Amino acid sequence: AQSVTQLDSHVSVSEGTPVLLRCNYSSSYSPSLFWYVQHPNKGLQLLLKYTSAATLVKGINGFEAEFKKSETSFHLTKPSAHMSDAAEYFCVVSEFKQAGTALIFGKGTTLSVSS
Amino acid sequence: EAGVVQSPRYKIIEKKQPVAFWCNPISGHNTLYWYRQNLGQGPELLIRYENEEAVDDSQLPKDRFSAERLKGVDSTLKIQPAELGDSAVYLCASSLTGVNEQFFGPGTRLTVL
Repeated sequence: AQSVTQLDSHVSVSEGTPVLLRCNYSSSYSPSLFWYVQHPNKGLQLLLKYTSAATLVKGINGFEAEFKKSETSFHLTKPSAHMSDAAEYFCVVSEFKQAGTALIFGKGTTLSVSS
Repeated sequence: EAGVVQSPRYKIIEKKQPVAFWCNPISGHNTLYWYRQNLGQGPELLIRYENEEAVDDSQLPKDRFSAERLKGVDSTLKIQPAELGDSAVYLCASSLTGVNEQFFGPGTRLTVL
C-alpha cells in the first residue's frame, strides 16, 4: 500500500527566508504525488502535483517540489516565505485501488511565518 | 466557476443524536468523495461515488454512517446515532472521472457533546 510520511509536524521560519517541508513516500510503482495547503477554516487547495513528467514541479504562489525516486522524497520548497504562507501543508500520494484511485494524506506540517 | 459547496459549516449536537451533511460538487464532476479529518491529522476517505454508484465505501463505518447521491449530483452523509468520537471535520471533494486531482469544499466541523 502507498503511504506518505511528513517528517516535521511544525516548521517555523521568518518572513523572507526559505521554506522546506519534507515528505517521504512509499509506493510499489511510480506514484502520483501532490501537495495541498489548508488555511484555517478554508478548504484544501492544490499547490502542485507530480505525475511522472518533469521531476521538478512548479506550483502556485512560488512553491515547487522535486521528485527524487532514489530518495523516495517529494520535498516542498519556496525561496522566500510570506506571512500569507502560514497554513497546514499536506503531502499526498495517489493510490490505485480496484475501485479506482484514492488520495492518501500525510499527517500534515504546520508552517508558521514570523515577521 | 463555483467550487464545492458544503453545508452546514458548523454543527454541534449531543451524542446519540442524528446529523446530516450536504455537498454540492463542481458542475460536471461525476466523482464525489467524502473524507473525515480528525484534529491534527490528514483527511481519510470515507466513501467515493462515480455518478450515483458508491464504488469505494470500504472505510465507511456502516453501522452508523450512511451516504447517498440519488441523482448523481448532490450528496448527503448521515450519522445516526452520533458518538463523541465522531467529532471531526467532514470534507467533500469532487473530480472529473479518471482524474486524480480533487477539489475540496470548506468542510463541516462537527462537535459531538
